[in-house]
Amino acid sequence: AQSVTQLGSHVSVSEGALVLLRCNYSSSVPPYLFWYVQYPNQGLQLLLKYTTGATLVKGINGFEAEFKKSETSFHLTKPSAHMSDAAEYFCAVSQGAQKLVFGQGTRLTINP
Amino acid sequence: GAVVSQHPSRVICKSGTSVKIECRSLDFQATTMFWYRQFPKQSLMLMATSNEGSKATYEQGVEKDKFLINHASLTLSTLTVTSAHPEDSSFYICSARPLARSNTGELFFGEGSRLTVL
Repeated sequence: AQSVTQLGSHVSVSEGALVLLRCNYSSSVPPYLFWYVQYPNQGLQLLLKYTTGATLVKGINGFEAEFKKSETSFHLTKPSAHMSDAAEYFCAVSQGAQKLVFGQGTRLTINP
Repeated sequence: GAVVSQHPSRVICKSGTSVKIECRSLDFQATTMFWYRQFPKQSLMLMATSNEGSKATYEQGVEKDKFLINHASLTLSTLTVTSAHPEDSSFYICSARPLARSNTGELFFGEGSRLTVL
């Protein structure tokens, strides 16, 4: 069975600072990994995904994530936080065509 | 591309009535759609998997007679909350898996529907 653990339900950074949102997964086969962002009262928007190939994945809005098989991690980073990055972030894992399994989410707050 | 539209975005109804929420994939075909429920400040809880032309598969603990799902075409799935009660108030989100990317698990999400039952 797959599972996702997001370390830290709430992360707060200053504007311009590095953003690091942690995600660890459990999967019995090579996983597909995703990061989604959710703004208040909205659905989820795909930030980036890893399926195969390059382990450093670049997404929208300056975010990127690195798949580290040895650490079973897929942490999300952004070099410089912007106020508009404040939102809820979800890490998710799937095994091919199977359903997505989501982490509990991390609320990112940006301090001016 | 890959836009999923959900309607209505907000609905308020009286206890005992039924409410239908539509989920449409606007620019792609989706043989599989998923319905999620999200409580405040919590993650998404998968309710059911909707497959075009067949019965939906419900997750454990979800009442199939309460939450009716129909997936009549490759671009439309509907969720009907029957005899709604205040405890059914929640944010319901649908998602669709493009036929062309069915092996990656990638999903595209609707905007969500906030249901309030009085």
